[in-house]
Amino acid sequence: GQNIDQPTEMTATEGAIVQINCTYQTSGFNGLFWYQQHAGEAPTFLSYNVLDGLEEKGRFSSFLSRSKGYSYLLLKELQMKDSASYLCASLDSNYQLIWGAGTKLIIKP
Amino acid sequence: GAVVSQHPSWVICKSGTSVKIECRSLDFQATTMFWYRQFPKQSLMLMATSNEGSKATYEQGVEKDKFLINHASLTLSTLTVTSAHPEDSSFYICSARLRDYEQYFGPGTRLTVT
Repeated sequence: GQNIDQPTEMTATEGAIVQINCTYQTSGFNGLFWYQQHAGEAPTFLSYNVLDGLEEKGRFSSFLSRSKGYSYLLLKELQMKDSASYLCASLDSNYQLIWGAGTKLIIKP
Repeated sequence: GAVVSQHPSWVICKSGTSVKIECRSLDFQATTMFWYRQFPKQSLMLMATSNEGSKATYEQGVEKDKFLINHASLTLSTLTVTSAHPEDSSFYICSARLRDYEQYFGPGTRLTVT
């Protein structure tokens, strides 16, 4: 079957660094997405990885290991506005997104 | 960048009535659009895949006669919730596919059925 696992909730301190992990098992693989979703809003795109390695984009970085079925999202210099849910999604062989349940990130001052 | 709009952004309707939600790709053509539903504190649940000019493909457990999808043009897909009930109250989000690996989300529609 298809499965995406990520932690339900994480807490971090403003200014710190946090890593949100995601493991996936999908029918075929055409890339791994990370989205940010604030409460009551639609998801917004953060990153897309299809090759192994680290992609850095400002304060956010995303890593992928295809052989391990593993990805992480790294957030640096955390700000209060980063409090949100972070959704991991795998693009399967039919180019359909398979979604994780999301990780609620709580930032404390 | 690619923009997707949804209308209305929120709607309140009475039980038993029908509600139509529109999803438009504003600056690109989308042969495929997706409709999601999200309940509070839960992740997105794919309801159906909407293909321009053909019937929508519904996910298991989604009633196609209750959630009518029409993708009449390359920039517009509509979701009609027929005979709505309070349990249909949810956040409905559409997305439009630009390329195989690129989907853009609309802002969502919050439906409340009283």
